[in-house]
Amino acid sequence: DTEVTQTPKHLVMGMTNKKSLKCEQHMGHRAMYWYKQKAKKPPELMFVYSYEKLSINESVPSRFSPECPNSSLLNLHLHALQPEDSALYLCASSQEYSVSYEQYFGPGTRLTVT
Amino acid sequence: AQSVAQPEDQVNVAEGNPLTVKCTYSVSGNPYLFWYVQYPNRGLQFLLKYITGDNLVKGSYGFEAEFNKSQTSFHLKKPSALVSDSALYFCAVRDGELLSGGSYIPTFGRGTSLIVHP
Repeated sequence: DTEVTQTPKHLVMGMTNKKSLKCEQHMGHRAMYWYKQKAKKPPELMFVYSYEKLSINESVPSRFSPECPNSSLLNLHLHALQPEDSALYLCASSQEYSVSYEQYFGPGTRLTVT
Repeated sequence: AQSVAQPEDQVNVAEGNPLTVKCTYSVSGNPYLFWYVQYPNRGLQFLLKYITGDNLVKGSYGFEAEFNKSQTSFHLKKPSALVSDSALYFCAVRDGELLSGGSYIPTFGRGTSLIVHP
C-alpha cells in the first residue's frame, strides 16, 4: 500500500470557523509533511514531523496548528483563516526525514476561505 | 544553499515524439535529485530519483532522467510521449552537505507544464 489519504477532499470555511484536515498513511513511514500549494505553483513546505515530533515549522502563522497523534496520522487544525489561505493543502510522507527518501503525496484538500 | 531551476514554463510535444523536461540545480555537497508529476486536481506523484551510481535513472511510466554533474543538470526524458503524459512536472533537490547549508527540506522547481498533442 503506497497510498496517503486525505480528508476532506474539499472544504469551505468562514474566517471565524474552526476546522481540521486529516491525513493518514499505512506505509510505516516515520516522516510526515504538510504543504500548501497555489495553482500551478510548487508546493510550499509548512511543517515536518519526524518520529511524531515536530521537526520543522517554516514560520507558519499560528492560525495553522499541526498535530501528529500517532505514526500514521497527521492533522492540521485551522482557525481564523484569511481568504489568502485558500489553496490546495497536501500531506506527504517519506520513510525517514532524510535526503535520500522520496515523498509520497496525498490527493490534497482544496480549501476555500470565504 | 540549494536551488533548482526549470527554465521552461511549458513544453509542447506531439504524441509519439521524444520529450525532454529540463532541470538544473545548485548544491554545496552531493545532490539528491527527484522528479514528481502532478495531474490536475491531484497530489504530486514520485517518478524517479538520483542518489548515486548510474547517471541514467529509470522510473515509472517509461520516464528516465540523466544526471550530468558537469552541467549540473537532471533532465527528464521519455522516448515516445503519450497524450496522457500531459501534466505539471516538478524537479526537486536536496543537498547532502548539511554543514554547508544543505537541508533535508526539498527545494522544488517552479514546475513545467507538459502538453502532448494528439
